[in-house]
Amino acid sequence: NAGVTQTPKFQVLKTGQSMTLQCAQDMNHEYMSWYRQDPGMGLRLIHYSVGAGITDQGEVPNGYNVSRSTTEDFPLRLLSAAPSQTSVYFCASSAWLYSPLHFGNGTRLTVT
Amino acid sequence: KQEVTQIPAALSVPEGENLVLNCSFTDSAIYNLQWFRQDPGKGLTSLLLIQSSQREQTSGRLNASLDKSSGRSTLYIAASQPGDSATYLCAVRPEETSGSRLTFGEGTQLTVNP
Repeated sequence: NAGVTQTPKFQVLKTGQSMTLQCAQDMNHEYMSWYRQDPGMGLRLIHYSVGAGITDQGEVPNGYNVSRSTTEDFPLRLLSAAPSQTSVYFCASSAWLYSPLHFGNGTRLTVT
Repeated sequence: KQEVTQIPAALSVPEGENLVLNCSFTDSAIYNLQWFRQDPGKGLTSLLLIQSSQREQTSGRLNASLDKSSGRSTLYIAASQPGDSATYLCAVRPEETSGSRLTFGEGTQLTVNP
């Protein structure tokens, strides 16, 4: 079982560049979300989706866009990368809003 | 604003020891609490989820308890093994549905020495 798959695993960007972090799940989960993990800050919610066509902002949404055109995919777009977006990004999904979360292995992003 | 605290930040024990990890939260209006483990360079793996109406959940050598009124949860690991070495995080989900964001603690880094 693939579970939650994130690509790429590592990425280096220059300030101002844009990119898309990919996330796909094969468990037919309705709920998907993006977190960033920073030392001393813990995990913080960026955006989430409760189903295809529905997205909403989390705790730290600025500088990021998401869309959910299919149940399986939930890409995260960085519009204009900034050094403050250097972090480890995790995608997570669950069958519904209140069931256990399943995480991908993360994307380590460095913005120089 | 919900705050989740995990103490200690790091713990080192000899193999075979029973141990308890602590998680406290400031707002008792939670829907559930989840314990995760995170191995270096990896994502989080869900260990146990306790609903607010439950007192404890068990899975193998793991037992998680919840005292919602006092804002505390513990994760008990029996007969610890070197393979248990990881960072353990707890997260609470609020009762209110808007946003429904999990609030995570910063974790306890556990090292089990052979």
